[in-house]
Amino acid sequence: DTEVTQTPKHLVMGMTNKKSLKCEQHMGHRAMYWYKQKAKKPPELMFVYSYEKLSINESVPSRFSPECPNSSLLNLHLHALQPEDSALYLCASSQEEGVGANVLTFGAGSRLTVL
Amino acid sequence: GQNIDQPTEMTATEGAIVQINCTYQTSGFNGLFWYQQHAGEAPTFLSYNVLDGLEEKGRFSSFLSRSKGYSYLLLKELQMKDSASYLCAVSDSNYQLIWGAGTKLIIKP
Repeated sequence: DTEVTQTPKHLVMGMTNKKSLKCEQHMGHRAMYWYKQKAKKPPELMFVYSYEKLSINESVPSRFSPECPNSSLLNLHLHALQPEDSALYLCASSQEEGVGANVLTFGAGSRLTVL
Repeated sequence: GQNIDQPTEMTATEGAIVQINCTYQTSGFNGLFWYQQHAGEAPTFLSYNVLDGLEEKGRFSSFLSRSKGYSYLLLKELQMKDSASYLCAVSDSNYQLIWGAGTKLIIKP
């Protein structure tokens, strides 16, 4: 299996809602990532999990809460989001170390709209 | 500071060759990576260079000069499906990817 699967593909939520984005990979990768991407911009790193532990948090607001239940799953819990949080949220995985750590396999993304 | 520059947009003709340049200034260097992203889709890994020189993968080649802080992606025998954004990214001293803004490549028949 060489895929990273993300659900849902599309999500519309109000500013008071609580929702979650889910990501699953069975590539044996031990590093998993959440990126945010706005239109015509490069991906912006949010969180990195390494061996199921949070290793990088790029000063992301607390309304985004990541969770890594096991080595194959990565969630992003959303609460009290703002309209400016509307974007494509990308999950990715990679090997843990060396050059392989930068060869990312991305999921198809979850397109989030906050009303 | 960290900076990666690539052209915003390029246009080329089907069947032709196009070269997308990328220059960088980063704190440390552990490789330069190229990703392709079709509109509305996720990026996909194309190639990487760690050492100077040319890496060839089918119709795509990538070149690196570390002393000049320069790379290019060369696409040959262009096909309409090559219309996409091409993202240059550098792995810094912490193995974190620093992304360029991307080059939108438009292929015309």
